Amino acid sequence: GNSVTQMEGPVTLSEEAFLTINCTYTATGYPSLFWYVQYPGEGLQLLLKATKADDKGSNKGFEATYRKETTSFHLEKGSVQVSDSAVYFCALRSGGSNYKLTFGKGTLLTVNP
Amino acid sequence: KAGVTQTPRYLIKTRGQQVTLSCSPISGHRSVSWYQQTPGQGLQFLFEYFSETQRNKGNFPGRFSGRQFSNSRSEMNVSTLELGDSALYLCASSLELSDEQYFGPGTRLTVT
Repeated sequence: GNSVTQMEGPVTLSEEAFLTINCTYTATGYPSLFWYVQYPGEGLQLLLKATKADDKGSNKGFEATYRKETTSFHLEKGSVQVSDSAVYFCALRSGGSNYKLTFGKGTLLTVNP
Repeated sequence: KAGVTQTPRYLIKTRGQQVTLSCSPISGHRSVSWYQQTPGQGLQFLFEYFSETQRNKGNFPGRFSGRQFSNSRSEMNVSTLELGDSALYLCASSLELSDEQYFGPGTRLTVT
């Protein structure tokens, strides 16, 4: 079955540091890949997505590239801000008739001023 | 455009009781999915509805059920509550099944 593995947290960075959160996946076929962010007390917000190999999703300074050869979708940001503190979830949705999202466990990011 | 709304936001129930949670999708969205979020298991898929039909179901016991109405609003029901059902229940809507999902703020259920 499908599965997503993302790096264990928590991750603590200083403002303006470089961020990488690793995500690898196992899936049949050609899944779509997503990063969601969850701020305290809120639901999930879609941060970025990629639907095919070598696609790069980007939003708000965050980027992730769909790497089929390494089955990875690592999240990166060049300079984090305090407001980026949240839990980040990597997710996939496989093709066919199954549209459910399969999520990683989440990575808590704390950015200190 | 209003986002996905879920009611109630917080709920406290006793073991053995039943509970109904409600989700109103974004206007025009026809698909609704439900997820359970717990610290131990993370985010797990419950079920997915499209045009009032359940299209997909996760690995949850039969105590968990749901439905979708003609206006796309959805409810999920949990009967005979157990302590382990304490979780954040998230609803997500999308235009069609294959479109990206937009999540609501969730209903925090506590079972005592």
